[in-house]
Amino acid sequence: AQSVAQPEDQVNVAEGNPLTVKCTYSVSGNPYLFWYVQYPNRGLQFLLKYITGDNLVKGSYGFEAEFNKSQTSFHLKKPSALVSDSALYFCAVRDPINDMRFGAGTRLTVKP
Amino acid sequence: DTAVSQTPKYLVTQMGNDKSIKCEQNLGHDTMYWYKQDSKKFLKIMFSYNNKELIINETVPNRFSPKSPDKAHLNLHINSLELGDSAVYFCASSQRTGGTDTQYFGPGTRLTVL
Repeated sequence: AQSVAQPEDQVNVAEGNPLTVKCTYSVSGNPYLFWYVQYPNRGLQFLLKYITGDNLVKGSYGFEAEFNKSQTSFHLKKPSALVSDSALYFCAVRDPINDMRFGAGTRLTVKP
Repeated sequence: DTAVSQTPKYLVTQMGNDKSIKCEQNLGHDTMYWYKQDSKKFLKIMFSYNNKELIINETVPNRFSPKSPDKAHLNLHINSLELGDSAVYFCASSQRTGGTDTQYFGPGTRLTVL
């Protein structure tokens, strides 16, 4: 069975500082990994994904994530946080057979 | 053009009523989904349809029934609404066959059962 964990309910960073939102996963076989962002009263928006290839994936709004197979992690990062990055972030995983599973979400707050 | 659209955006109704939420995607995707997001923001998949075939059903009560008239539409019908059905319901679509299954979400329908 596949699963995904986001160990932090809440992440707080100061504007201009680097941010990391953590995600670990468990799948049988090769994982497809995704990050989505949800702004208040909006649907989820796709940020980036890892399917194969380079372990460092770059996505929208300056975000990137690194696939680490040995640690089964796919942490989301950004070198310099903006107040407008404040939102709810979801990690998701699927394998080639099963449907996607979403983590519980991490609320990111960037303070001026 | 909106890629995945849902109607209505807000739905307020009494317990025991029957209601439907509509979803349409213009992305040409072969798979559509319904998710329920509860008050704690946890996202739970309810159904997915691939080429008019139901391919998953995650322990959802049979009061909920998806209906897909064609591959661009997946409507959600709910019978005998209960207080616990209050949530935000999201429709999504993706291309599974020959694609990476990146899901694109609609704006959500906030259902309030009184």
